[in-house]
Amino acid sequence: QVQLQESGPGLVKPSETLSLTCTVSGGSINSYYWSWIRQPAGKRLEWIGRIYSSGNTNYNPSLKSRVTMSVDTSRNHFSLKLSSVTAADTALYYCARDGMVGQVHYMDVWGKGTTVTVSS
Amino acid sequence: IVLTQSPATLSLSPGERATLSCRASQSVSSYLGWYQQKPGQAPRLLIYDASKRATGIPARFSGSGSGTDFSLTISSLEPEDFAVYFCLERSAWPTFGQGTKVEIK
Repeated sequence: QVQLQESGPGLVKPSETLSLTCTVSGGSINSYYWSWIRQPAGKRLEWIGRIYSSGNTNYNPSLKSRVTMSVDTSRNHFSLKLSSVTAADTALYYCARDGMVGQVHYMDVWGKGTTVTVSS
Repeated sequence: IVLTQSPATLSLSPGERATLSCRASQSVSSYLGWYQQKPGQAPRLLIYDASKRATGIPARFSGSGSGTDFSLTISSLEPEDFAVYFCLERSAWPTFGQGTKVEIK
């Protein structure tokens, strides 16, 4: 079955760029949307944005100015960059497949998440 | 759209019935999902389109509701069901509820 694995630095300095990659195994990255979601400790999940396998993107308006997503279909992975980070960006970051499960898309496969701390 | 889940914590014993609520600040039609989240594990999709069970989800999980009021029912709690549950709506962009923790009484 499809599995997702997040990877990237666990510690990022303030004002720098957070970079994460999600590797898809057990299935193809093609013809799907792929999302990034984060959860600060003790808070609700927040959708960051998604990318289609063709490269089309949708971003959360509240983060749009700082977010860039990309996809590499040859390596079956997609990536997130979040610029100008602050302590407020410290969170558990998840990647997920955004599949057309029912009438609309739902995140139907998730990674286990990776913790990113923003600190000097 | 803001999703508000209640209660924050539900303390029950195995075999009991659990009923969780998710209320939307405006109508989301039936575009609502429910997930189970355990520490160190990937969240799992349980219910989509408010009432449809995802693949492989046991029949003890059921969802209902439309518009602004939704519920997730676990008919008889199994030991593995003690976890956090959150709802998700798909409108302009996805938003999540704050979660309900189902803990062992």
